[in-house]
Amino acid sequence: NAGVTQTPKFQVLKTGQSMTLQCAQDMNHNSMYWYRQDPGMGLRLIYYSASEGTTDKGEVPNGYNVSRLNKREFSLRLESAAPSQTSVYFCASSEPRDEQYFGPGTRLTVT
Amino acid sequence: RKEVEQDPGPFNVPEGATVAFNCTYSNSASQSFFWYRQDCRKEPKLLMSVYSSGNEDGRFTAQLNRASQYISLLIRDSKLSDSATYLCVVGGYTGKLIFGQGTTLQVKP
Repeated sequence: NAGVTQTPKFQVLKTGQSMTLQCAQDMNHNSMYWYRQDPGMGLRLIYYSASEGTTDKGEVPNGYNVSRLNKREFSLRLESAAPSQTSVYFCASSEPRDEQYFGPGTRLTVT
Repeated sequence: RKEVEQDPGPFNVPEGATVAFNCTYSNSASQSFFWYRQDCRKEPKLLMSVYSSGNEDGRFTAQLNRASQYISLLIRDSKLSDSATYLCVVGGYTGKLIFGQGTTLQVKP
């Protein structure tokens, strides 16, 4: 069992570039989440998917889009990266209202 | 007011000490409660769930006080390896979890 995997681990983008962060889980969980973590800010929810076929905005959705490709995969897209999106991005999965399991994170720098 | 509040610390304690963290939450309808541990630049990992009756896992004890809306974590006989950030996490009926900012613990030899 790999748990939750994320790619890439590191990325540097220039302002205005686009990219997609990939996340996959092999625990057959229904719910998946994208968070960002900034120093002194804690984890903030960007988007989540309660079940396959549904997505909802979290606390900080602006500048991001998501796709729940199937039950296993949930991707996060930055259409036009900005320096304010420099952060560590974590994907997580769970059964609803249960503990969440996190991937190792993607460290993104936007210059 | 933040939905989940923690003292960020840092708490600096010697090996073998007992240390306690508290956390308060604002939504009285919250249904699930957890403590997560996060090591520097790594992903958060579940330390333990928190139940109304309180629960213990080795040197760790978690308690929930619904009336006062706070959660506590007690670590006995601290080890160097306990140095980390401890995240208080609260969930509601929607399934979303709200994370506190975390409390940093440094255990010194």
